[in-house]
Amino acid sequence: GQNIDQPTEMTATEGAIVQINCTYQTSGFNGLFWYQQHAGEAPTFLSYNVLDGLEEKGRFSSFLSRSKGYSYLLLKELQMKDSASYLCEGDGSNYQLIWGAGTKLIIKP
Amino acid sequence: NAGVTQTPKFRILKIGQSMTLQCTQDMNHNYMYWYRQDPGMGLKLIYYSVGAGITDKGEVPNGYNVSRSTTEDFPLRLELAAPSQTSVYFCSARGAGPNEQFFGPGTRLTVL
Repeated sequence: GQNIDQPTEMTATEGAIVQINCTYQTSGFNGLFWYQQHAGEAPTFLSYNVLDGLEEKGRFSSFLSRSKGYSYLLLKELQMKDSASYLCEGDGSNYQLIWGAGTKLIIKP
Repeated sequence: NAGVTQTPKFRILKIGQSMTLQCTQDMNHNYMYWYRQDPGMGLKLIYYSVGAGITDKGEVPNGYNVSRSTTEDFPLRLELAAPSQTSVYFCSARGAGPNEQFFGPGTRLTVL
């Protein structure tokens, strides 16, 4: 079957680094996406990996290992505005998009 | 360039009523999606479309219908509203290939 797993909730301190993990099982694989969703708002795109390795975008980086079915999102120099849910989405075969339940990140001062 | 727009923003329905959630995009993207998101949960795919005239079921299609007569519009129809359909509904659009999705602001629907 197709499945994506990520932790339900994480807590981190302002200024620190946090890593949010995502494991997936999809039939066919065309890429893995990370989105940020603030409470009461729509998701917005953060990053995308289709090949193994690390993609860096400012304070945010995403890593993918296709052989292990594993990805992580790394957030550096955490700011209070980073408090949000982070959603992992996998592109499977036949245009099917599979979403994780999201990881709620709580930033403490 | 408005991106993806959805109407209405909020709606309260009585059990058994019907309504159409509107979704329009001005990015000329072929792929469009409808999701529902229950409180504290992830996104569940209801229906998707890979181009005008082509639609297909997602993970949770029961109780819903869609049409795609133009590239721009992808309305979602609820025929007989049920309390289980109380949720936030998001529409999105994206270009061909693995590509980021652009989401509308959502419609918050309550069925009483």
